[in-house]
Amino acid sequence: DTAVSQTPKYLVTQMGNDKSIKCEQNLGHDTMYWYKQDSKKFLKIMFSYNNKELIINETVPNRFSPKSPDKAHLNLHINSLELGDSAVYFCASSQGDNTYEQYFGPGTRLTVT
Amino acid sequence: GQSLEQPSEVTAVEGAIVQINCTYQTSGFYGLSWYQQHDGGAPTFLSYNALDGLEETGRFSSFLSRSDSYGYLLLQELQMKDSASYFCAAYPQGGKLIFGQGTELSVKP
Repeated sequence: DTAVSQTPKYLVTQMGNDKSIKCEQNLGHDTMYWYKQDSKKFLKIMFSYNNKELIINETVPNRFSPKSPDKAHLNLHINSLELGDSAVYFCASSQGDNTYEQYFGPGTRLTVT
Repeated sequence: GQSLEQPSEVTAVEGAIVQINCTYQTSGFYGLSWYQQHDGGAPTFLSYNALDGLEETGRFSSFLSRSDSYGYLLLQELQMKDSASYFCAAYPQGGKLIFGQGTELSVKP
């Protein structure tokens, strides 16, 4: 059983389009995250939800909107895609105070042309 | 600001020992984590140090010195499969991890 899963794994789209990435975890964790990893492998947190409540919202363009329908799911919707949005997006989860130990999904490679 | 520094790349031979250093500067600090990421893969958790000293997990060990704002990951008996990127991540106040830029480890035969 996959612990943290993401769909799709690859996403190729044109500038200006709107796209969504979905994430699900079956670990029973209460906190989920979205990270962006750029071409230099820099891993930066974008958002964090705890029990469906947004707790971290880094300086991210408001074209990015996360949604957590329940504590096992965290989706990311991106409006008006730009070239600079091309990156690998990772979903992750953790339990309780164990923020230091996060479980990552396989990533979604987004390419904007 | 909050930042972590680690070498961009390290090369070593199979069977050797390698140490990847990490210095951090954060507002508030609970501990230091290490993650491994193979090319095309997801980061995976390796270890966490909340207290000063050495934590050993098999061939991997991690060290923390809070007074020096410094830690390292020690990999022993290197194997080809250890070729990957290694990230240190500080756990400061605010409920999030701050990742370093990553160290690309190449293990040669």
